[in-house]
Amino acid sequence: DIQMTQSPSSLSASVGDRVTITCQASHDISKYLNWYQQKPGKAPKLLIYDASNLETGVPSRFSGSGSGTDFTFTISSLQPEDIATYYCQQYDRGFGQGTRLEIK
Amino acid sequence: QITLKESGPTLVKPTQTLTLTCTFSGFSLITSGVGVGWIRLPPGKALEWLALIYWDDDKRYSPSLRSRLTITKDTSKNQVVLTMTNMDPVDTATYFCTHSRVPPYSHYGVDVWGQGTTVTVSS
Repeated sequence: DIQMTQSPSSLSASVGDRVTITCQASHDISKYLNWYQQKPGKAPKLLIYDASNLETGVPSRFSGSGSGTDFTFTISSLQPEDIATYYCQQYDRGFGQGTRLEIK
Repeated sequence: QITLKESGPTLVKPTQTLTLTCTFSGFSLITSGVGVGWIRLPPGKALEWLALIYWDDDKRYSPSLRSRLTITKDTSKNQVVLTMTNMDPVDTATYFCTHSRVPPYSHYGVDVWGQGTTVTVSS
């Protein structure tokens, strides 16, 4: 059973800021890490797969990196529409605890 | 265009069994690499992965809920059914049906979600 530890649980940042979220797996998951964005009342949206590949149509300000057990998700310049909760997911299974992103 | 739609009761009593049906279109669950799964979002909490069934009838379950879950497919009806036994108020959540694929056919990750169905567990 692979556990995903995501941090921070919440984050407040200003428009234009660089935002970073981390996710750690309890076992080596190679590159098989996905990142999702969820806005209230909506289904989550896949942003990044295989740790660093941007899903089609996702803005380039979103990026991901990492392999093995340690992964990072970055928004290079925070926009108001990025307010959401972000989740990491290993393979096609378990999720991290989520990071709630707010605007300062 | 791939679509998925969840259906089932909105209210169940504690100890009852929940049966949710996912009816999908735009793909076939006999196509290699395809999986249909269930994920839930309890109010104020995080996403929780529940179960997946693949095109070859391989089934995977959340370790913490394995004893309570059963996932099946009916390829002729384009449906996947999830049953969860012994429901408890902590199982109150929005339940999502999902489409995904696996390597080498594609990459991991849920690429299409249903709209979700809210289930409340209360006496």
